Amino acid sequence: AQSVTQPDIHITVSEGASLELRCNYSYGATPYLFWYVQSPGQGLQLLLKYFSGDTLVQGIKGFEAEFKRSQSSFNLRKPSVHWSDAAEYFCAVVTNYGGSQGNLIFGKGTKLSVKP
Amino acid sequence: DTGVSQDPRHKITKRGQNVTFRCDPISEHNRLYWYRQTLGQGPEFLTYFQNEAQLEKSRLLSDRFSAERPKGSFSTLEIQRTEQGDSAMYLCASSFQNEQFFGPGTRLTVL
Repeated sequence: AQSVTQPDIHITVSEGASLELRCNYSYGATPYLFWYVQSPGQGLQLLLKYFSGDTLVQGIKGFEAEFKRSQSSFNLRKPSVHWSDAAEYFCAVVTNYGGSQGNLIFGKGTKLSVKP
Repeated sequence: DTGVSQDPRHKITKRGQNVTFRCDPISEHNRLYWYRQTLGQGPEFLTYFQNEAQLEKSRLLSDRFSAERPKGSFSTLEIQRTEQGDSAMYLCASSFQNEQFFGPGTRLTVL
């Protein structure tokens, strides 16, 4: 069965420092991968997605992620964190977008705190 | 296009009562999903519609839960005889192709 693991429950970084959030997935075929961000009281917002092609994908708000098939990973990165990036981040894989299904399987999330 | 909306945003109810939530997807999105999110967890899939047809239900969707999308537009999720374990954030998402857009969620508290 498909699954997503986010090993870090909570990360604290200083404003201006670089950030990497880890995500590992378990999926038999080529996965469709997503990163979402959730701020308190807000819905989930898509940061970026990977379906195929270039394994380094760019997203909104200066985020990028790299798909590494050999490591079953899709880590999220940002070179310089801003205080407004404090939120919870979720990695997700979709079950089967080609067919009639396509629900997302999410990791448990990583809460990001930013120190001034 | 105002995005996915959900109503109500918050609901407090007593154990044993029935509750109903509404989701209005982005217009012309043919797929609609319901997820549940509990504290410290990622969202978990509940059910999925393509137009008005309910195509998949998770094992999390017990007999007390029912969802409808009668005209292929808005959807409702009803929980009968609520239990304290139903307390969670209920999220709705819609999609047309390969990206799901989420609403703000309905936070349910069962006392």
